[in-house]
Amino acid sequence: KAGVTQTPRYLIKTRGQQVTLSCSPISGHRSVSWYQQTPGQGLQFLFEYFSETQRNKGNFPGRFSGRQFSNSRSEMNVSTLELGDSALYLCASSLDQNSGANVLTFGAGSRLTVL
Amino acid sequence: GENVEQHPSTLSVQEGDSAVIKCTYSDSASNYFPWYKQELGKRPQLIIDIRSNVGEKKDQRIAVTLNKTAKHFSLHITETQPEDSAVYFCAASIRNGGFKTIFGAGTRLFVKA
Repeated sequence: KAGVTQTPRYLIKTRGQQVTLSCSPISGHRSVSWYQQTPGQGLQFLFEYFSETQRNKGNFPGRFSGRQFSNSRSEMNVSTLELGDSALYLCASSLDQNSGANVLTFGAGSRLTVL
Repeated sequence: GENVEQHPSTLSVQEGDSAVIKCTYSDSASNYFPWYKQELGKRPQLIIDIRSNVGEKKDQRIAVTLNKTAKHFSLHITETQPEDSAVYFCAASIRNGGFKTIFGAGTRLFVKA
């Protein structure tokens, strides 16, 4: 069973550019969450998608956006990149069981460097 | 908003000693509390979790406790080994029509041989 796949793994952009990151969840997982990881800040919640709908959003500016497709694959976009956007962006998928336990399985991440 | 505080930020122990990491959450609606381990250069992986209707859970050398009244939960690792060295994250998850899992800032654990 394939895990959570994120592409690209590494990318370098310059300030002002935009970037799109992709995430393919585990087969059968319909909930996809995105996190930003920076040293000392832990994992900051960006948003959560289910059935092509954003159900939750973290405290990030509108430059950060996302979407989910009918096959549960998700993308996130960051526009007008700033130096502070340099981070590891992690995607996680889960089954969304009625049990209430949101067990996240993470991808390897996309490491974005903004110059 | 929701917040999870985690202490200490760094913990150094001798091999064989115990390690304890403590977390506090702010949203009383949180009902699921996972712990993730992230080794250098790797993705976070779930090591143990506890649900709000349980006070304690143990899995070999790892145990978690939850005090819902105080909004505290802790990770206990006994008989630490060098391979336990990693960053550990606590988290609190809320179901509000969707899921929102908020993580602590992490604890870097060093186990000295």
